Amino acid sequence: GNSVTQMEGPVTLSEEAFLTINCTYTATGYPSLFWYVQYPGEGLQLLLKATKADDKGSNKGFEATYRKETTSFHLEKGSVQVSDSAVYFCALDRGSTLGRLYFGRGTQLTVWP
Amino acid sequence: SQTIHQWPATLVQPVGSPLSLECTVEGTSNPNLYWYRQAAGRGLQLLFYSVGIGQISSEVPQNLSASRPQDRQFILSSKKLLLSDSGFYLCAWRSVYGYTFGSGTRLTVV
Repeated sequence: GNSVTQMEGPVTLSEEAFLTINCTYTATGYPSLFWYVQYPGEGLQLLLKATKADDKGSNKGFEATYRKETTSFHLEKGSVQVSDSAVYFCALDRGSTLGRLYFGRGTQLTVWP
Repeated sequence: SQTIHQWPATLVQPVGSPLSLECTVEGTSNPNLYWYRQAAGRGLQLLFYSVGIGQISSEVPQNLSASRPQDRQFILSSKKLLLSDSGFYLCAWRSVYGYTFGSGTRLTVV
């Protein structure tokens, strides 16, 4: 089946620390992979995406590389800020006509000044 | 521009009461629409999807139902809420550019 396994949280970091949130997936075919962010009191926003193997998605200093050999899409940022505090969701889209997303459980990130 | 509206933002309802959450989209026609739920400590789970007016598919059996009375309107309902219906409900639609999510409804059943 299709599933996403995401690093358990919560993650607490000091400002300017390095961030990694692990995400691995199981899917048939060649899915697209996404990271979504949910700031307090808001809905989900697309952070970055990658549609094929070895693609690197990047946005706002965050990066993730689509690794088919390890079925992973880990999220990284070199220097986090307090404003990055949010819940981060890894997700995949198999590309079916239905177009549903399969989400990980989400990782709560808190950054302290 | 393409936007999605979802309301209310928060809702506190007693057990056994009815529920109606509404989602509307603008700037597109015949979108695929979705209802997701995030229960406490869990990930987002697809509840319903719709590919057109009157066409509803359910992903999991539950105490909820969905309807699509108009092309750009998607409604989530319940006749009698359960405590386990508490959670964060998100409406979404999909275009060729990807997914757009509403701002969500935080439902607390007491």
